[in-house]
Amino acid sequence: DGGITQSPKYLFRKEGQNVTLSCEQNLNHDAMYWYRQDPGQGLRLIYYSQIVNDFQKGDIAEGYSVSREKKESFPLTVTSAQKNPTAFYLCASSIAGTGSFTDEKLFFGSGTQLSVL
Amino acid sequence: AQTVTQSQPEMSVQEAETVTLSCTYDTSESDYYLFWYKQPPSRQMILVIRQEAYKQQNATENRFSVNFQKAAKSFSLKISDSQLGDAAMYFCAYRSYNTDKLIFGTGTRLQVFP
Repeated sequence: DGGITQSPKYLFRKEGQNVTLSCEQNLNHDAMYWYRQDPGQGLRLIYYSQIVNDFQKGDIAEGYSVSREKKESFPLTVTSAQKNPTAFYLCASSIAGTGSFTDEKLFFGSGTQLSVL
Repeated sequence: AQTVTQSQPEMSVQEAETVTLSCTYDTSESDYYLFWYKQPPSRQMILVIRQEAYKQQNATENRFSVNFQKAAKSFSLKISDSQLGDAAMYFCAYRSYNTDKLIFGTGTRLQVFP
């Protein structure tokens, strides 16, 4: 079955530590996204990528970094510069719709809950 | 920059009744997509309904329908014959046609009472 896999489901970070959240998709989608969700709040865009080796900052990119070396993978690193990393992180993907009205439905992973020790 | 506003943090409805969730957005683009997503306690995001901005006809999916007012930049979700399983957070989202950037509102928590 095609879908998006996020791992791990739960992650704990120590002070000053960098941690990496994994996101893999086998849907052959071009566009991938990372969102942060705080308790009782909406989703805020961290980074997104429309194509391999290219990505753009979202609204809250500070303290985070990403890479897009392969079409199916879009890992997110939460660096020590992110002072309040405790949140639920969601990865998503879609067919890149830029310039055409294709099937732009977004598929989501099941999320990673990151907490600080 | 585009923004999405959901002004109702919480709503409640009696089972079998109808409820409408509000969403407004701000954009200078003429072509875009709009979505409503549902997030139950499992936190899995589920697409409820989508609307292309170039279509005047309002989208409908079974008990879910939208009222899309492009000039007013309004995109409300109507849930008919509400069921207990409809209880969840509902998010309105905007996707740019040109950049693929997808922006979410802050959500509305819907409670359904028997």
